[in-house]
Amino acid sequence: SQQGEEDPQALSIQEGENATMNCSYKTSINNLQWYRQNSGRGLVHLILIRSNEREKHSGRLRVTLDTSKKSSSLLITASRAADTASYFCATDGPYNQGGKLIFGQGTELSVKP
Amino acid sequence: DSGVTQTPKHLITATGQRVTLRCSPRSGDLSVYWYQQSLDQGLQFLIQYYNGEERAKGNILERFSAQQFPDLHSELNLSSLELGDSALYFCASSVGPRQETQYFGPGTRLLVL
Repeated sequence: SQQGEEDPQALSIQEGENATMNCSYKTSINNLQWYRQNSGRGLVHLILIRSNEREKHSGRLRVTLDTSKKSSSLLITASRAADTASYFCATDGPYNQGGKLIFGQGTELSVKP
Repeated sequence: DSGVTQTPKHLITATGQRVTLRCSPRSGDLSVYWYQQSLDQGLQFLIQYYNGEERAKGNILERFSAQQFPDLHSELNLSSLELGDSALYFCASSVGPRQETQYFGPGTRLLVL
């Protein structure tokens, strides 16, 4: 079963607007990551935030983490048509389960030019 | 390009058949992970190998098996295929047994008819 739930399932915005995606998870974590997937292709790692961090930036990406609410958000600022993709949050599993990642069901982002 | 290669890219086969998916990790990575992505189940962790040894197991069916060879490439064997096995199968790799960032290959799209 999946750890995370993402919200919204789909998001459609205009170029230049900001896009915010949310992720909730169920169990305690060491870190949370965001990945991007273009139409049926491989996943690309975007950013990792550790459980003792509250906010992290990478270029136009801003990720927040609230461990008390077991939730994270990904903000993409000044979106571009090339940002159109599915975005997934992933959490690490229990320590005795190796390096497995547990993925949410993803948010499908569409950025219209 | 993540540096992870997977072959074949596409595979069409019939129910009851057996197929082998192959993965070569990034140079220097010792861990290989297999994930299945389907519309109804999302991205599911199947199995992890680290330096030739099984490290973690997810919801992998008994009809499926995997191994990692001395040169660190990995193969996922799917047998007695059913229609429901149609999915995208991803391989990912990381340096260590519990490295946070995993690098994904382009995937193998399996269609069982």
